Order: sequence, then C-alpha cells, then structure tokens
Amino acid sequence: GAVVSQHPSRVICKSGTSVKIECRSLDFQATTMFWYRQFPKQSLMLMATSNEGSKATYEQGVEKDKFLINHASLTLSTLTVTSAHPEDSSFYICSASKGGGYTFGSGTRLTVV
Amino acid sequence: DAKTTQPPSMDCAEGRAANLPCNHSTISGNEYVYWYRQIHSQGPQYIIHGLKNNETNEMASLIITEDRKSSTLILPHATLRDTAVYYCIVSGVDYKLSFGAGTTVTVRA
Repeated sequence: GAVVSQHPSRVICKSGTSVKIECRSLDFQATTMFWYRQFPKQSLMLMATSNEGSKATYEQGVEKDKFLINHASLTLSTLTVTSAHPEDSSFYICSASKGGGYTFGSGTRLTVV
Repeated sequence: DAKTTQPPSMDCAEGRAANLPCNHSTISGNEYVYWYRQIHSQGPQYIIHGLKNNETNEMASLIITEDRKSSTLILPHATLRDTAVYYCIVSGVDYKLSFGAGTTVTVRA
C-alpha cells in the first residue's frame, strides 16, 4: 500500500530558530501534498496545498512567509517553520495524494522552547 | 466544500458492531465520502471511501444512502484497538480533505 514517511517525528527547538520537516511518498509519486497542523484536543487544520514544481496554496490565515513549503519532486515536500515561537508548538502532519487516494504521514511533534 | 456532521462521541462493546453515522446533506454529485481514523498522536489512517455505492474492505463497510445525504461506517467486530477519533470527510474543491471534529469512539471490554 501507499506509504508516506515524515521526519522527524519529534523536534524541540529554541525560539527564533527554524525547523524543517520532510514528507516523502515512498512507493508512489504524489501529484499533490498537503500540510496540516493539529493543536491538542482539536481536529486537523489544513495549512496549505502544494503541487510539484509550483508554489504552494495557503489556507486563509496561514502565513506563507512563516511556513515555507517546498515541493521539489513528486516524492518530497518540505515544510519549514521559520523563526519559530512557542505558539507554533503543534503536531504537523503531511498527506500525499494520487488518484483520489490520500495517505498521511505519522506526524511531527514540534515543541518550541 | 460540503460539511459533515458527526456525533461527538460513542461507546461500543468489544466484539460488537460499531455503527458510526455521518450527515453530509450538501454533498454534490462528484464528491466522495472518505473515512479516516486517528489514534492518539499518530497520523490519520485511511479506512474506506465511496461515491454512491456501498463499499466494503477488510476494515469496514460504508453504507451511503440513496440520496447521498448521509452515510454510516460499520466496524463489524470492534476491538480495543479500534478506539480512536473517526473522521467522515467529503472531498472538496481542489481535492482537499478538510477535517471536522470527528467522533471519538471508545471500545470497552
């Protein structure tokens, strides 16, 4: 079946630094990748949609300069949280899509101290 | 995007069938119904999806009403490992999946 690998699974960083999260589709080429954020006891919130080789489309209220998305190939998308602050602490989850199927990564727990 | 309505929580006895309802009265003709579940601190796991016909796989069955305004996910023999938040999602424009609050299912021994 389709597998999406997300790395790292956990990261702790200092306030003001940047963190990069990788999302890879291991056994298929994803036409589209999605990034979500989930705060404790809340549902997943879609942050942005990215297609290989083009700029990401951000949802309303998501700062594109703070959450940089690079989708360099059909199997790799990265999310960089720039100048992270404690309020960016959250669970970040990626999803890769192909042909109507959506596979999710295992998530990245980001803690900003 | 069509919105979905699910009960916030439900309990189920181990070994019994769990029937999870979902309303999606504004669904349009070409939108699919997807079901995912999320176990604590993990990424969502795909369960099943359908357009208008009933579907079954090794995990569950999906029953979609004829008018497509509602559906039911059936877990035939619930186990303790089925305890999770279950999300019913209608695929929207640009094929995005937007999550609602879901149903927290607790399977009790």
